[in-house]
Amino acid sequence: SQTIHQWPATLVQPVGSPLSLECTVEGTSNPNLYWYRQAAGRGLQLLFYSVGIGQISSEVPQNLSASRPQDRQFILSSKKLLLSDSGFYLCAWRDRTSGNTIYFGEGSWLTVV
Amino acid sequence: AQSVTQLGSHVSVSEGALVLLRCNYSSSVPPYLFWYVQYPNQGLQLLLKYTSAATLVKGINGFEAEFKKSETSFHLTKPSAHMSDAAEYFCAVTEVSFQKLVFGTGTRLLVSP
Repeated sequence: SQTIHQWPATLVQPVGSPLSLECTVEGTSNPNLYWYRQAAGRGLQLLFYSVGIGQISSEVPQNLSASRPQDRQFILSSKKLLLSDSGFYLCAWRDRTSGNTIYFGEGSWLTVV
Repeated sequence: AQSVTQLGSHVSVSEGALVLLRCNYSSSVPPYLFWYVQYPNQGLQLLLKYTSAATLVKGINGFEAEFKKSETSFHLTKPSAHMSDAAEYFCAVTEVSFQKLVFGTGTRLLVSP
């Protein structure tokens, strides 16, 4: 069966520091991968999605970036965090074989101080 | 572009009462529609999905939703609320190319004894 792992679960970082959140999917190949952010009271905002290795689409201009170095690995990064980057970050993957359902990881809480 | 509107950021019901969470979508092509549930500090869990088969869709935990094309709606219902149903619920629609999922802003369900 397919699983998705996301880490770290919780992160407290100072303003101006770098960020790296990692996500790995197991049990499937060539999945679509996604990064969403959930800020308090604002629903889910799609940040990036990827349809293959090295292919990244950005939805929202910001100081975050994403990379897909391997088929089932998706990384969210920042060189210098802002206070406004605080939020709950969710990685997800799309299962093309079951009605294009998107499945989510457990999320990563980022607090920028 | 596709979009989703969830009416009511908060819905309060008593335990045992009917749950009705509203979702309306905008799409120029037949959509795939989803309901997800999020418990505090957790990722999103799929409740049910509509993928152009039966218009009445049954999901987990006793929830169901009916796709009404004429009303562009996909409301979520449950005949009798349990305390454990208290969570945030998100309606979502696939984008035209099925590459990404567009979410509503969510509805927080509160269940009182």
